[in-house]
Amino acid sequence: SAVISQKPSRDICQRGTSLTIQCQVDSQVTMMFWYRQQPGQSLTLIATANQGSEATYESGFVIDKFPISRPNLTFSTLTVSNMSPEDSSIYLCSAGDSSTGELFFGEGSRLTVL
Amino acid sequence: DAKTTQPNSMESNEEEPVHLPCNHSTISGTDYIHWYRQLPSQGPEYVIHGLTSNVNNRMASLAIAEDRKSSTLILHRATLRDAAVYYCILKVGRSGYALNFGKGTSLLVTP
Repeated sequence: SAVISQKPSRDICQRGTSLTIQCQVDSQVTMMFWYRQQPGQSLTLIATANQGSEATYESGFVIDKFPISRPNLTFSTLTVSNMSPEDSSIYLCSAGDSSTGELFFGEGSRLTVL
Repeated sequence: DAKTTQPNSMESNEEEPVHLPCNHSTISGTDYIHWYRQLPSQGPEYVIHGLTSNVNNRMASLAIAEDRKSSTLILHRATLRDAAVYYCILKVGRSGYALNFGKGTSLLVTP
């Protein structure tokens, strides 16, 4: 199993600012992903965080708005840039190993943009 | 991408078995069927997954139809702690490994 820690757990941000969310996994994993969960909705995959290379973004998400880094096998960051109230969501980090097929999730980072 | 269809909500009595259905009629031969659940105010947690054969683990059982166009997650004895949104997912996403979540089934367990 893997334990995933996210920081911050919640934040209130001003429109037009950017916030970086950190995700730390307690073991080396092959896969890391970032999801968004808007209020009352299901999870939407933002991107796959690739170690040492550019992230793979899903349709509707772009690097300029959600830059992602993954410098090693246990750590990744997601930045939400130039925030607007529509970006108010829970952002979740997920990690796992492709050999087991099981993904683990953090508790999420709840962002409120005013 | 193959899609899944689940009932929006289901209700069960505590200590009774629960059968959560999922339809995935366009599933491809290589798609694994994954089940996750999300308890209130928490991130999703893995429940079970399978490809063709029925699967059992300490949390639940997964019954997969012979044609793989549907599956059922079975909680053998529901507890209040099992109240959650249950997601049936086929592994998709551009990277090939991520999970695309649908709306899931909200399970209510009553004492």
